[in-house]
Amino acid sequence: AQSVAQPEDQVNVAEGNPLTVKCTYSVSGNPYLFWYVQYPNRGLQFLLKYITGDNLVKGSYGFEAEFNKSQTSFHLKKPSALVSDSALYFCAVIPGWSNSGYALNFGKGTSLLVTP
Amino acid sequence: GAGVSQSPRYKVAKRGQDVALRCDPISGHVSLFWYQQALGQGPEFLTYFQNEAQLDKSGLPSDRFFAERPEGSVSTLKIQRTQQEDSAVYLCASSLFEGKSGANVLTFGAGSRLTVL
Repeated sequence: AQSVAQPEDQVNVAEGNPLTVKCTYSVSGNPYLFWYVQYPNRGLQFLLKYITGDNLVKGSYGFEAEFNKSQTSFHLKKPSALVSDSALYFCAVIPGWSNSGYALNFGKGTSLLVTP
Repeated sequence: GAGVSQSPRYKVAKRGQDVALRCDPISGHVSLFWYQQALGQGPEFLTYFQNEAQLDKSGLPSDRFFAERPEGSVSTLKIQRTQQEDSAVYLCASSLFEGKSGANVLTFGAGSRLTVL
């Protein structure tokens, strides 16, 4: 069963505008949530994670994400987009309990295109 | 090296051939994961090693897939009698911590792209 959903295949934003890449999850308990970015011909790179604590998480390259338990969401945001942010973004989740396996479950990805 | 190294970067195999994909994780990393990424999809978990122990192989799609990490460092993913549906990018990732630690940030290699004709 799909445990993380990224409803948008592509997000288009003009440079300088705020961006949001959406992610919702469907696991029980307290999940561990991650965002990774994939540039062409390169491996996935970690951006940020939520484990516990403050719902607003700040990560690399000016990105942040807000954990919303009531809406089961973990949307990725950035106040001002750069052309160099254009890439493929993946949301991922691990169920928080100990007997749920080791797999990091990825969404299908959202392609972000930032235009000059 | 500084990152996770995978080889070969590209592999073309005829259907029915065996292939071996290699992963060199970051030195000292306890955890090693293999993922399969089909075109236009997110990575799908294949298997997990903690040092040399394969603790989870629930994602391996068939008994044609086999992975090992005999000395707790380099890992090899072997696919026997390749089929067209095996065409994908195979990603290796490593982490300093074991399994389900909340600090378990993964460092991914660039992947091995397998094309089965």
